[in-house]
Amino acid sequence: NAGVMQNPRHLVRRRGQEARLRCSPMKGHSHVYWYRQLPEEGLKFMVYLQKENIIDESGMPKERFSAEFPKEGPSILRIQQVVRGDSAAYFCASSPVASSRSGYTFGSGTRLTVV
Amino acid sequence: DAKTTQPPSMDCAEGRAANLPCNHSTISGNEYVYWYRQIHSQGPQYIIHGLKNNETNEMASLIITEDRKSSTLILPHATLRDTAVYYCIVRVPNAGNNRKLIWGLGTSLAVNP
Repeated sequence: NAGVMQNPRHLVRRRGQEARLRCSPMKGHSHVYWYRQLPEEGLKFMVYLQKENIIDESGMPKERFSAEFPKEGPSILRIQQVVRGDSAAYFCASSPVASSRSGYTFGSGTRLTVV
Repeated sequence: DAKTTQPPSMDCAEGRAANLPCNHSTISGNEYVYWYRQIHSQGPQYIIHGLKNNETNEMASLIITEDRKSSTLILPHATLRDTAVYYCIVRVPNAGNNRKLIWGLGTSLAVNP
């Protein structure tokens, strides 16, 4: 029973390039959440998606960042024209369709380094 | 901003109980207390949650005060692998579209041999 899978684990991009981060939720989970963690800081919420819908993107920067969760395939967090300040760990979590008080299951994260 | 306050760091001897406090004095009646931990360079791991009764699972125990303004996470026999940052979060589960977790800086627990 695979957990939340994120890839790649490490990603290096030059300034101005695009970064694509992938998240496959746990089997049976159709809710996905993305969080960003800057060095020495706590996690910050970015976006909450269900299949084919963005439910809450209140934590997403207004420019260069986008997220999707298509009907088939993983959720994608896309960062265009990356800058050094985008260097961080990006974590994805998932939860099941049915109402649940249980905690979220997180992936191991993608560590983005912009050089 | 996080609705919880935790000490920035704590130490514990291996094999002893680790008691991690959390203050959440503004908690509302329908908010649960959740605990997660993050071992270095890994994703957060859910530990336990509760509303008002004490809870126990295979990982830890959660003690919530009667007024619900504070709680304590107890690791009964800490091991070196319990060295991590521990986060206390309050939220209303399944609150419609408000599913986000608001994280503070947590408590960095060092378990010493």
